[in-house]
Amino acid sequence: GAVVSQHPSRVICKSGTSVKIECRSLDFQATTMFWYRQFPKKSLMLMATSNEGSKATYEQGVEKDKFLINHASLTLSTLTVTSAHPEDSSFYICSARSGQGASNEQFFGPGTRLTVL
Amino acid sequence: AQKITQTQPGMFVQEKEAVTLDCTYDTSDQSYGLFWYKQPSSGEMIFLIYQGSYDEQNATEGRYSLNFQKARKSANLVISASQLGDSAMYFCAMREGVKAAGNKLTFGGGTRVLVKP
Repeated sequence: GAVVSQHPSRVICKSGTSVKIECRSLDFQATTMFWYRQFPKKSLMLMATSNEGSKATYEQGVEKDKFLINHASLTLSTLTVTSAHPEDSSFYICSARSGQGASNEQFFGPGTRLTVL
Repeated sequence: AQKITQTQPGMFVQEKEAVTLDCTYDTSDQSYGLFWYKQPSSGEMIFLIYQGSYDEQNATEGRYSLNFQKARKSANLVISASQLGDSAMYFCAMREGVKAAGNKLTFGGGTRVLVKP
């Protein structure tokens, strides 16, 4: 299957700093990328959907200014957690797909574990 | 209301036996897709199987099969001949048609499976 990479895989930062997470589709062009957040032993919660070249669509309750998403190309999307606080500590997973319709598979990155001290 | 419901938070299964993971969904769309993903402790999301709403036959992929009962809105995953490596979290997910829900995946709460030797 297609490959999606995330970098970094783990990051520890101090409270108040910003952290950028990259998501890349390595062997296909991702027209749409998704960012999820997962708390321990919980399900994936969609944070936002981004289409290349346009503004991301955020889910209700997700702060746009807190979680900045940029989808600058068909192979790269970034999530920046601004002024991170301990409550932002979580597992962040990106996903990418090409095309439309219900059948197109979504490929997931390996995730980034963020710990804010 | 929950769109995807997984009623079994955790299950034990004996090695080499079959296990059924329940999933019910709620949608008013005629066109939708149902997915199952496996998430081991490493955190990566592994795609297992897909069922389209118009598919007349139940999907099968190796040891995985999907028991699709459209009238009951259920899409249970059956894992045959369980192996120790099947121990993981399993998520059912749904993507509704292009016109609805932004073409995004909605996940159930997950079922943790532990295979006993």
